[in-house]
Amino acid sequence: GQNIDQPTEMTATEGAIVQINCTYQTSGFNGLFWYQQHAGEAPTFLSYNVLDGLEEKGRFSSFLSRSKGYSYLLLKELQMKDSASYLCAVRGGLDRDDKIIFGKGTRLHILP
Amino acid sequence: GAVVSQHPSRVICKSGTSVKIECRSLDFQATTMFWYRQFPKKSLMLMATSNEGSKATYEQGVEKDKFLINHASLTLSTLTVTSAHPEDSSFYICSARDPLTSGFYNEQFFGPGTRLTVL
Repeated sequence: GQNIDQPTEMTATEGAIVQINCTYQTSGFNGLFWYQQHAGEAPTFLSYNVLDGLEEKGRFSSFLSRSKGYSYLLLKELQMKDSASYLCAVRGGLDRDDKIIFGKGTRLHILP
Repeated sequence: GAVVSQHPSRVICKSGTSVKIECRSLDFQATTMFWYRQFPKKSLMLMATSNEGSKATYEQGVEKDKFLINHASLTLSTLTVTSAHPEDSSFYICSARDPLTSGFYNEQFFGPGTRLTVL
């Protein structure tokens, strides 16, 4: 089966750093995605990891350890607009065209 | 990135009626589109994978006779909720892959979603 776990909610302060963890158990693995979703809107793509290590993209970084079935999204210099849900998603098959399965999402609240 | 549109953005209907939601890829051809449902404060639940020119593949627990999917062209997929009931009220989101530009990521691009309310 497929299982993706991430915390339900987190709170952080403007200007700080926050790390959102994600663990997964899937029958196969062909990449892990992080998406950002504001309330009532569609998800937007943030990052993709298929090899172990850290991918940095501006204020956002994503890390993957395939042996541990673990990833995290790191957000630096938090801004109020970063208040959103962050979805961890895994392409669980062996084919690049396989479907992507989403975790339940982590709602991040930014305090001034 | 690629643009995906959905229509309508909001729809309210009476119980027992059918509602059609359209998903279009605006600047690319999508051989595969996906339909998700999202309840308040919950994550996206994949309902079905829609392949152009063939039958959709439904996820376990999704009634294919209730949620009719048609992917008649490379830029359009439709989801019809038949005999809708209040429990079908949800946020329906489609996504599509652009096989030419997704490249290394092969990520999905999401439409803006359709808010369905069944009275």
